[in-house]
Amino acid sequence: AQSVTQLGSHVSVSEGALVLLRCNYSSSVPPYLFWYVQYPNQGLQLLLKYTSAATLVKGINGFEAEFKKSETSFHLTKPSAHMSDAAEYFCAVSGWGAQKLVFGQGTRLTINP
Amino acid sequence: KAGVTQTPRYLIKTRGQQVTLSCSPISGHRSVSWYQQTPGQGLQCLFEYFSETQRNKGNFPGRFSGRQFSNSRSEMNVSTLELGDSALYLCASSLGGWQANTGELFFGEGSRLTVL
Repeated sequence: AQSVTQLGSHVSVSEGALVLLRCNYSSSVPPYLFWYVQYPNQGLQLLLKYTSAATLVKGINGFEAEFKKSETSFHLTKPSAHMSDAAEYFCAVSGWGAQKLVFGQGTRLTINP
Repeated sequence: KAGVTQTPRYLIKTRGQQVTLSCSPISGHRSVSWYQQTPGQGLQCLFEYFSETQRNKGNFPGRFSGRQFSNSRSEMNVSTLELGDSALYLCASSLGGWQANTGELFFGEGSRLTVL
């Protein structure tokens, strides 16, 4: 069985500050890991994914995440926050061949001017 | 390439009624998944279909049903609506084949259901 825990349902940072959104996973098989972003009144959009290639994954809009097997973590970072980054972010896990993505509870990111 | 299309985008129903939501996946995608999103429960998978066969089913009552057609389009139905069914219902599509699958889903904008 697979599960994801996102630490912090709300994160607030100042514009230009580092963004760090935390995600820990549990998986009985080598995982595929994802970060999705959801803007208000929209569906989810893929930010980046880890599929057992490089452990440091770069995504869209300047985001990146590092897969750390020893810590079962896949934290999302961005060096400098922009107002347009305000959204809800979801971490998700699946196993090879399994269609069903399991999502975390989401983290709402607020950017202060 | 057109994205995932969901209809209707917004709808209001009363308790006891039923509703049908529609999803058209990206062309060439054979798998469709449905998710219910609520503030309290987050994102929960309702069903997942591949080539007209239900491959996964979430822990939802029998009032929730779905199907996939031969052209990969999908519908979900909720009968005897309850207040707690108010949610954003998201459809997502993917290629779906075991060899090609990495679990990445492409989401529609959702159908927001309000039950009064």
